[in-house]
Amino acid sequence: AQKVTQAQTEISVVEKEDVTLDCVYETRDTTYYLFWYKQPPSGELVFLIRRNSFDEQNEISGRYSWNFQKSTSSFNFTITASQVVDSAVYFCALSEGEGGGSYIPTFGRGTSLIVHP
Amino acid sequence: EAQVTQNPRYLITVTGKKLTVTCSQNMNHEYMSWYRQDPGLGLRQIYYSMNVEVTDKGDVPEGYKVSRKEKRNFPLILESPSPNQTSLYFCASSRRLAGIGEQFFGPGTRLTVL
Repeated sequence: AQKVTQAQTEISVVEKEDVTLDCVYETRDTTYYLFWYKQPPSGELVFLIRRNSFDEQNEISGRYSWNFQKSTSSFNFTITASQVVDSAVYFCALSEGEGGGSYIPTFGRGTSLIVHP
Repeated sequence: EAQVTQNPRYLITVTGKKLTVTCSQNMNHEYMSWYRQDPGLGLRQIYYSMNVEVTDKGDVPEGYKVSRKEKRNFPLILESPSPNQTSLYFCASSRRLAGIGEQFFGPGTRLTVL
């Protein structure tokens, strides 16, 4: 069965600090997909990134970067030079394969990031 | 504007009174899903639909029904709501399977069952 663990329930930083949100996953499939979503205080859920298990290249998008390491089953998310607008709950999610598991993503419990001015 | 809409946004009801939460998307997506979000539990999928007239259970389907008579609409039905269904509900649509592609979420419906 698939499982996603976001061990950090809440992280508090001061603006301009770098912060890394951890995501550790468990799956028996060799084909799987990993996601990050952002939920700002307004409540909507916003897609950030998708990665498949065959693409271990790290990704950078502005101040956001993602580190995918199959060896440690981790898909960590780093925000560089954090800003107050980054304050949100961030969810990591996993789905398995191309079969039935693909219909039902498993979400982690979320990490609440608070960025103080 | 591409979007997923949900109504109502807030609802307070009483145990046993049937209710429907509507969901509509204008992106011509085949795949739609319903999730509930509870503190400390993240999001859990209730039902999903691969296309018109094709629906299936997610992780927590008990107490819920759905229908998909049209591609754009995917209502969530609570035939006899109970207090443990008090939650924040999200509808989502995606161009690909929910576990493969990016999902677009509605704004959420906060339901309280007294």
